[in-house]
Amino acid sequence: EAQVTQNPRYLITVTGKKLTVTCSQNMNHEYMSWYRQDPGLGLRQIYYSMNVEVTDKGDVPEGYKVSRKEKRNFPLILESPSPNQTSLYFCASSLSTGEGKTQYFGPGTRLLVL
Amino acid sequence: GQQLNQSPQSMFIQEGEDVSMNCTSSSIFNTWLWYKQEPGEGPVLLIALYKAGELTSNGRLTAQFGITRKDSFLNISASIPSDVGIYFCAGPAGNQFYFGTGTSLTVIP
Repeated sequence: EAQVTQNPRYLITVTGKKLTVTCSQNMNHEYMSWYRQDPGLGLRQIYYSMNVEVTDKGDVPEGYKVSRKEKRNFPLILESPSPNQTSLYFCASSLSTGEGKTQYFGPGTRLLVL
Repeated sequence: GQQLNQSPQSMFIQEGEDVSMNCTSSSIFNTWLWYKQEPGEGPVLLIALYKAGELTSNGRLTAQFGITRKDSFLNISASIPSDVGIYFCAGPAGNQFYFGTGTSLTVIP
């Protein structure tokens, strides 16, 4: 079954404690992306990757890091989480970038930073 | 970044009613996408639009790509309880994707 998986689904942590949210897709997609969803703001892109070892900032990259060492995996790293990073996070993938390419979303990771 | 504004922000309707929502942008898009998000799930693509003026249907859903390329519309006919969710417009610009603020739909049986 074609899917995007994220782990963990729920996470409670404390300010400053490094964490990683994993994302994996089994569709051989080149493009992968991370979003955060906050009430009234929709989804905002954090980082995206056009292929292995190629990553770039989205609209809200501050406080986040990503890596793309393998095509299927795109982890999101919070080196020093802060309460304003409490949010619902989604990973997504698609065949390629830009026009007309459908993004497939993971189930989401709900993060609470105390 | 790009701003996509959706209206209305929320809707409460009776089952069987038709629904209309729209999305406007401060700049031109060459593709408009409409997604639905159900509680506890990630967004799922409903309809993709690729040409200005295009009208595309998916069952009871119909979406239009505005002539100015700065707006798009989604209509749902004869709503049913399973239409409940948040509807997002979205569009790619360069290598980035932008999402609207969402329209939350509640259908009262």
